[in-house]
Amino acid sequence: DIQMTQSPSTLSASVGDRVTITCRASESISTWLAWYQQKPGKAPKLLIYKASSLEGGVPSRFSGSGSGTEFTLSISSLQPDDFATYYCQQYNRYSITFGQGTRLEIK
Amino acid sequence: EVQLVESGGGLVQPGGSLRLSCAASGFTFSSYWMNWVRQAPGKGLEWVANIKQDGNEKNYVDSVKGRFTISRDNAKNSLYLQMNSLRVEDTAVYYCARDPVAAPYYDYWGQGTLVTVSS
Repeated sequence: DIQMTQSPSTLSASVGDRVTITCRASESISTWLAWYQQKPGKAPKLLIYKASSLEGGVPSRFSGSGSGTEFTLSISSLQPDDFATYYCQQYNRYSITFGQGTRLEIK
Repeated sequence: EVQLVESGGGLVQPGGSLRLSCAASGFTFSSYWMNWVRQAPGKGLEWVANIKQDGNEKNYVDSVKGRFTISRDNAKNSLYLQMNSLRVEDTAVYYCARDPVAAPYYDYWGQGTLVTVSS
């Protein structure tokens, strides 16, 4: 199975900061990568698909980039609502795996 | 409005069985791959299984193969997960999730149902 490794595991930041979360795949996945945001007790919410496509309704301060084995999720100017846990997910028809998550907390 | 509502979770002993259901509304259920994704308490997300629109293709994570069966009833707009030979490590919140374009990634999720396997 393809392993997904996110870094950092925890990120402390302030409102207004720009932050970047990295996700590395154990082998090339082209651009078959999605990013989700999850808040405590809630289902995950899709932010980005196909590495860089913004899901409808998601604020433009979120952006994704990368291909092959290295990917990033960036938030350009943190808002209070953005403090949550973020997961990357690689996908092909027969192998679907998530990263371990990055908790974004208020500094 | 797209809605996915899971039910059927609960407390079960190791070795027991449970059947989860997911009721879908607000979209043409028969046009989408559907999935189950789980999350153990305090842990990350794990994809469990998916099923093609017509039910003729199913895929599972290795840890549940031979124990879990995913199915669907398009006439009832419902997705199911039959879980047999349950283990303590199957304890998790189970989410059903829609795959929008056979990618798969998941654009809509249910609220989840908690399965606890414990003696």
